Amino acid sequence: NAGVTQTPKFQVLKTGQSMTLQCAQDMNHNSMYWYRQDPGMGLRLIYYSASEGTTDKGEVPNGYNVSRLNKREFSLRLESAAPSQTSVYFCASLRADSNQPQHFGDGTRLSIL
Amino acid sequence: RKEVEQDPGPFNVPEGATVAFNCTYSNSASQSFFWYRQDCRKEPKLLMSVYSSGNEDGRFTAQLNRASQYISLLIRDSKLSDSATYLCVVVRPGTYKYIFGTGTRLKVLA
Repeated sequence: NAGVTQTPKFQVLKTGQSMTLQCAQDMNHNSMYWYRQDPGMGLRLIYYSASEGTTDKGEVPNGYNVSRLNKREFSLRLESAAPSQTSVYFCASLRADSNQPQHFGDGTRLSIL
Repeated sequence: RKEVEQDPGPFNVPEGATVAFNCTYSNSASQSFFWYRQDCRKEPKLLMSVYSSGNEDGRFTAQLNRASQYISLLIRDSKLSDSATYLCVVVRPGTYKYIFGTGTRLKVLA
């Protein structure tokens, strides 16, 4: 059982380039999330999808778009990368209700030059 | 006031010590709480859920104080392997938004 799988694990981009971070879960979870983590800031929610077919903004959505492709997959897109988006990105999933813990992928380390 | 607040530490304690962390939350209607552990540059991993009556898992005890709006994590008989950052999580009521504290760093010293 892979759990939550994120690709790629590392990426270096130039300012202005675009890329998509992929996330897939095999636990049949309904909800999926994208966070970024910066030193001293904790995890901040970028976007989440409470269920297949829905997406909602989190605390820091500017500069990002998401797609809930199906129940398993939730991708995060940077259309025009900026140095301020240098961060570690974590995807998480949740079974069905908010009394359950989230499960995390092992992160994507993204550097924007 | 931040929605979830933690003392960033670091808490430096000798092996075998007992250490406790608190985490305050601002929304009195919050119902779901968790403690996660995060090792350097790794993903957060669930340590334990926090139940209203308090709960224990081996050397770890979690408690909820609704009146003062904080949760706590107590670690007894600290091990070197307990060195990590401990994140508290509060679920915003009526949503699927999990709000993370910035974490408390623990260093257990030999």
